[in-house]
Amino acid sequence: DIQMTQSPSSLSASVGDRVTITCRASQSIRSYLNWYQQKPGKAPKLLIYASSSLQSGVPSRFSGSGSGTDFTLTISSLQPEDFATYYCQQSYSMYTFGQGTKLEIK
Amino acid sequence: EVQLVESGGGLVQPGGSLRLSCAASGFTFSSYDMHWVRQLTGKGLEWVSSIGTSGNPYYPDSVKGRFTISRENAKNSLYLQMNSLRAGDTAVYYCARMKRGAYWYFDLWGRGTLVTVSS
Repeated sequence: DIQMTQSPSSLSASVGDRVTITCRASQSIRSYLNWYQQKPGKAPKLLIYASSSLQSGVPSRFSGSGSGTDFTLTISSLQPEDFATYYCQQSYSMYTFGQGTKLEIK
Repeated sequence: EVQLVESGGGLVQPGGSLRLSCAASGFTFSSYDMHWVRQLTGKGLEWVSSIGTSGNPYYPDSVKGRFTISRENAKNSLYLQMNSLRAGDTAVYYCARMKRGAYWYFDLWGRGTLVTVSS
């Protein structure tokens, strides 16, 4: 099974900050990497698919990059509504998620 | 409106069974692979099962032999039959649609239904 490891597990930042979350796969997953945002009590929401493609309706301050085993999600200028938990997920071989990164207000 | 709505969750004793349902609307249900994903309380996300447009099911080892996914395209509905339930199956269960093209991703999620396994 492919394991997905995110870092950090939690992160404190301020509105306007640039934030980067990383995700590492236990083996190459090419670009089969997706990012989701989840707010408390809500379902996950797709942000980025295929490592770097922005889902329709998602603000352009979100971006993704990487291929193989190492990936990043970047939020260029944090907005109040961005404080949430973020998950990476691979779809190269079945489907596994990272453990999540909780983004909190500093 | 394009949406997925889960139902059927509740409290069940260890060893018991439960059947979850997911009602789809606003899109051509039969054209999509459908999945169940769960989230243990306060924890991360775990893929539970999937079913393709042709009806082929897939499961991780953690639920294989205990859970059965099925679909009824005429009713735009997805199901998850869960047997031999354990405390570790306690979670919110989400129904999710998979977009398949050059890459595969969950592009639509329901709000989830809570399953609690406890005596």
